[in-house]
Amino acid sequence: GGIITQTPKFLIGQEGQKLTLKCQQNFNHDTMYWYRQDSGKGLRLIYYSITENDLQKGDLSEGYDASREKKSSFSLTVTSAQKNEMAVFLCASSIGSSAETLYFGSGTRLTVL
Amino acid sequence: QQQVRQSPQSLTVWEGETAILNCSYENSAFDYFPWYQQFPGEGPALLIAIRSVSDKKEDGGFTIFFNKREKNLSLHIKDSQPGDSATYFCAASGGGYKVVFGSGTRLLVSP
Repeated sequence: GGIITQTPKFLIGQEGQKLTLKCQQNFNHDTMYWYRQDSGKGLRLIYYSITENDLQKGDLSEGYDASREKKSSFSLTVTSAQKNEMAVFLCASSIGSSAETLYFGSGTRLTVL
Repeated sequence: QQQVRQSPQSLTVWEGETAILNCSYENSAFDYFPWYQQFPGEGPALLIAIRSVSDKKEDGGFTIFFNKREKNLSLHIKDSQPGDSATYFCAASGGGYKVVFGSGTRLLVSP
């Protein structure tokens, strides 16, 4: 088995601040994803990466940057935190070229003051 | 644009009853429909999935019924237990990397 580790678990920032969320996986999966989960809403894809140094925009990429410098890690940067960005950010990975099974981390809960 | 819709938003059933969670979709290109289960403080985990060539998939006490013509599906949880209390997400994909999630159904099983 494997695990996806997201750090930090809780992140408190100030409006306008640049904030970075980190994700590590030891599945040796090729593809990694960042999703945003808002209360009462589904998961929305922010960025995904099919291999190291690859980045693909999802439906919600505006206001975010991502980085995949090695296969096992994928980071997400909120470029300028806004009050309406209080949400849980979920990192996931999948085998190869298919998203049929997504393996999720437990999330980073972001609060912007 | 909500491509995958779930109902109800929340559902309470008694222990031992069958819980029925509904899902509908708009895009005819979707051919794979996973259901994810999420407990508080955890990430979602794949529970069961069905392909559009099938009309039923069973795994333990969980069954998906799929109607391609009507573009809807449902998850039946037989003999519900308090430990099944969680949020359930219906999702859809047409191959590739993008998966569209519904907004979830919060299930509470009362003892």
